[in-house]
Amino acid sequence: SAVISQKPSRDICQRGTSLTIQCQVDSQVTMMFWYRQQPGQSLTLIATANQGSEATYESGFVIDKFPISRPNLTFSTLTVSNMSPEDSSIYLCSLRDSAYGYTFGSGTRLTVV
Amino acid sequence: GNSVTQMEGPVTLSEEAFLTINCTYTATGYPSLFWYVQYPGEGLQLLLKATKADDKGSNKGFEATYRKETTSFHLEKGSVQVSDSAVYFCAHVNGGSQGNLIFGKGTKLSVKP
Repeated sequence: SAVISQKPSRDICQRGTSLTIQCQVDSQVTMMFWYRQQPGQSLTLIATANQGSEATYESGFVIDKFPISRPNLTFSTLTVSNMSPEDSSIYLCSLRDSAYGYTFGSGTRLTVV
Repeated sequence: GNSVTQMEGPVTLSEEAFLTINCTYTATGYPSLFWYVQYPGEGLQLLLKATKADDKGSNKGFEATYRKETTSFHLEKGSVQVSDSAVYFCAHVNGGSQGNLIFGKGTKLSVKP
């Protein structure tokens, strides 16, 4: 199955700043997903990113706050913009790499102070 | 809409006890079902999956059977170990065009020696 390298693994950021999270895949994939896991909570889908088209955002998530880049079939970035303490979460990228198979990045643990 | 309901945690067991974590789902059709595990401080790992009714997924002594009659996918293990302490997430494939996973809220398991 595909392997995802996600970075940074963790960061502590000042409120009002932005952080870009990167996911590099070792093979070409059409669709990637970005999730948020707030402390003690489950995973919530932020958006779906297809190469060559705009990302599709779930209700409650907007492009201005979470812009996503998908420049090719092996790479994607998620930016958390104008951060506040409420953005402190684990952010994960994921892909569907075979019929009914999903792989996750190791996650980015973000703390906003 | 599509959803996953897991039993509330935390669950605390003694080593070698029997484990059941209940999971039921609401979905259109018969989606693939998954159990993921998140060990402390680590990312999400696939534990097992089942792709059609009556399939049994198994791994590391854990089992779950796809029951379409009861729309359930309960996780079981006959004898838990301290090393099984983790958060367990039940999930199913979103049948819409997104193809993402829909997760339950997670169940934290603590196994005491």
